[in-house]
Amino acid sequence: DTEVTQTPKHLVMGMTNKKSLKCEQHMGHRAMYWYKQKAKKPPELMFVYSYEKLSINESVPSRFSPECPNSSLLNLHLHALQPEDSALYLCASSHEIRDREQYFGPGTRLTVT
Amino acid sequence: EDQVTQSPEALRLQEGESSSLNCSYTVSGLRGLFWYRQDPGKGPEFLFTLYSAGEEKEKERLKATLTKKESFLHITAPKPEDSATYLCAVTGTASKLTFGTGTRLQVTL
Repeated sequence: DTEVTQTPKHLVMGMTNKKSLKCEQHMGHRAMYWYKQKAKKPPELMFVYSYEKLSINESVPSRFSPECPNSSLLNLHLHALQPEDSALYLCASSHEIRDREQYFGPGTRLTVT
Repeated sequence: EDQVTQSPEALRLQEGESSSLNCSYTVSGLRGLFWYRQDPGKGPEFLFTLYSAGEEKEKERLKATLTKKESFLHITAPKPEDSATYLCAVTGTASKLTFGTGTRLQVTL
């Protein structure tokens, strides 16, 4: 089973709202990732967790706050977003942070109004 | 800095018309080259991993090959359901996936 699940599928939020995106995998992977993807562009790395510890933060604004409660779950907390943050947010996982292919979830389509 | 360039940007084929997609890369210490397929509004779907020059992988109508500077994704006798964006990515010593901008493939009847 190579499934990564993400909820919700779609999210519309105002600039003053607080919301969270959730990601889950049960493949025993120890590395998990958040990506942001704009239309007709490739995925852009935001955060990497390895063994539940934040390993990489690609200089993402603090209005995005990641959390890894356990090895199967990854959250992305959103607060005071801007309209330009509207995008497809993708979660991915891999066996380890190095070498291995990443498996992506279906994404959450976020619209900030 | 790792770089990936894909060509062509868009490709339109008739059903059954075979072709190849190109992925040129520069990377510090290649650890893996990956091909993904992405349908509109969905997450990338993993297709292949290639680790060293000369390696080839096949899956149905798709075949991926790797040299020291580029990779090709050959599509043999494509069908309309093969229409998607195909993304190439590399991982080097930085341990991060660097994606190309993709090739948008459309296969018509």
